[in-house]
This record gives sequence, structure tokens and C-alpha cells, in this order.
Amino acid sequence: DAGVIQSPRHEVTEMGQEVTLRCKPISGHNSLFWYRQTMMRGLELLIYFNNNVPIDDSGMPEDRFSAKMPNASFSTLKIQPSEPRDSAVYFCASSFAQSRGIQYFGAGTRLSVL
Amino acid sequence: SQQGEEDPQALSIQEGENATMNCSYKTSINNLQWYRQNSGRGLVHLILIRSNEREKHSGRLRVTLDTSKKSSSLLITASRAADTASYFCATEGAQKLVFGQGTRLTINP
Repeated sequence: DAGVIQSPRHEVTEMGQEVTLRCKPISGHNSLFWYRQTMMRGLELLIYFNNNVPIDDSGMPEDRFSAKMPNASFSTLKIQPSEPRDSAVYFCASSFAQSRGIQYFGAGTRLSVL
Repeated sequence: SQQGEEDPQALSIQEGENATMNCSYKTSINNLQWYRQNSGRGLVHLILIRSNEREKHSGRLRVTLDTSKKSSSLLITASRAADTASYFCATEGAQKLVFGQGTRLTINP
């Protein structure tokens, strides 16, 4: 298996632009998680899905952030409009048995908003 | 708010020495996991210990769990340069994992 695949690996954009991050979870996994990692705040859970349904989005910082999972093999995290404070590394992870299971992380997307 | 708190924040040792990292948490857990993150990479799962277990081994890793003290430790024996990474504990609560801030481990050759 190729593992969790995220794209792009790096994204540089200007403030106000829309940013879309993509994730392909491991085949057969039924839970998907989006995290944000910064030096100041560490690793924060933004949202997670079970069987393509959003379960907990309490970590989504504001309405500028949205996430979708149209099918079991694809998810997107969108920021519109982007702001410099959104600069961070965004990780996607998947697991088989809800959040109690082991999570498998993608390589992350490093976002820089200028 | 973060559930797990690692200690120390940074640790630097010589190759071949043992490294010990600690994690404290606040609420009851079903299990506790340790992850490693190499620079520029995603987190990789190392080991999971359930709340009814006190100690678990995996290769050069030894994890202990003391639920009465709400703490766990990760011991890496005979450290190698390749062990240089950040190590995170993660606790399961409210159906999601919560990660600590991590311990940055540096192994000096």
C-alpha cells in the first residue's frame, strides 16, 4: 500500500487566495483526520470523518476552513480566503477503527500564505 | 487543550546511551500511543499501550504506563543517530487522539 497520500507537498499563496489541500487515505480505512502543526500550537486536530461523515469539526478555526469527504478514497481541506496566520504544515491521517486505532499519517502539506 | 504533556521538551544524548521521555495526561484513557516524527515528515506510530497494561516492549523501545499517576514513559535503549526525531505521546479521549507538544531528541555521534 502507498500509505496516506497528500498533495501538494508545498503550497505558497498570497493572502486572500483559496487553498485546497487533498488527501487520499489508505484503502480500507474508515476514519480520516485533518491536523495542523505549528511551532506555537503543536499538532491540532481540525476535523475527522468516520465512513465519510464529519464527526467532530470543533477544531476548525473559523468559517474560512471547510473539509469534505465525498467518498472513501478522497478528502479535501479548503481555506478561503487564506491568511498569513494559516501558514502551517497540514497533515492528513487515516485509521481503521475510529480514533482508538493507530493513525497513519501522510507526509503533510507545508502551506505558506504571504 | 492538549491532553498529553511530554517532558523534557528537548533531550540531547550520545549515541549508545539510553533516552527516556515522559508523558503526563489529565483524564482517564483507553490507551496511550507513542509516535515519532522525523524532520519534514509525518508522524509514524511506534507503540500502543492499553490502560490495563503496565509495560510493553517493541525492539529497543520500552513503554510503561501508570494510570494512577496518569503518566507514561518511553525508553529507547542503545540509541542510534537514526533515532534523532521528535517523539509524541497521544491519548484517546472523546473518540479522538490528542497529541502532546513532543520531545525533540537529538542523538550525537
